Amino acid sequence: DTAVSQTPKYLVTQMGNDKSIKCEQNLGHDTMYWYKQDSKKFLKIMFSYNNKELIINETVPNRFSPKSPDKAHLNLHINSLELGDSAVYFCASSQQGRTDTQYFGPGTRLTVL
Amino acid sequence: DQQVKQNSPSLSVQEGRISILNCDYTNSMFDYFLWYKKYPAEGPTFLISISSIKDKNEDGRFTVFLNKSAKHLSLHIVPSQPGDSAVYFCAAAGTYNFNKFYFGSGTKLNVKP
Repeated sequence: DTAVSQTPKYLVTQMGNDKSIKCEQNLGHDTMYWYKQDSKKFLKIMFSYNNKELIINETVPNRFSPKSPDKAHLNLHINSLELGDSAVYFCASSQQGRTDTQYFGPGTRLTVL
Repeated sequence: DQQVKQNSPSLSVQEGRISILNCDYTNSMFDYFLWYKKYPAEGPTFLISISSIKDKNEDGRFTVFLNKSAKHLSLHIVPSQPGDSAVYFCAAAGTYNFNKFYFGSGTKLNVKP
C-alpha cells in the first residue's frame, strides 16, 4: 500500500497554463506538506497544513495555492506557470510534533516549456 | 540563504569501508537534525535523527554525530553496502517550529562492490 501518493508523476506544460498536483496519504497523519526541489537540489518547504488549516506559508508566489479538502489530501494548484516553476514537487505527511515520521511521496516532476 | 549545507555533492566508497557524509548549519536555533535517504524516482525516506541534547545517535550501521559548537553533523555508515548507494539529505528543525525543516542539497553516495 502506498503511504503518500502523488499524481501525476510527470507534468509537461506550456508557460501560462494552470495545473494541479494531487497528494493523498493513507497514514492517518494530521499534517501535510509541499516541498519544492529546485535545480540546485535543495528541498524547500512551501506549505504545511495541519488538520486542513494552513500553518506554514513560505515566501511562495501567490500563483501557488494549496487546497486541503480533508486531512488525507493536500493539492497544489499553480496558476500562470512560469519557466522557473520547473522543479520536482514533493508532498509529505507527518503526525503533529513527530518530525521523524515525515513520509514523502515519490515526487512530481514539473517541466514548463 | 541556505541554512543547511552539504558541501560534497558526491562520495564514492568501496564496499565494506566507512562512508562519512557531512552537513553544516548556520542557525543556532536548530536543535533537531535528521538524515534522509533518497533513491531515484522515490521520495526521501527517514533514516536517523539526533536532538541537540546528544552528540551521538546510533542505529545499526548508521551513526550520526553532532558537534554543536562547530554547527556540524555527520553520518557514518559502517560497513557500507552497495544498497546504500543513494542521495543523502541532511535536515534541521527548531523546536520553536517543529513542522519546518530546512534541507541541504544532498550528497550522492556510490558504494562500489
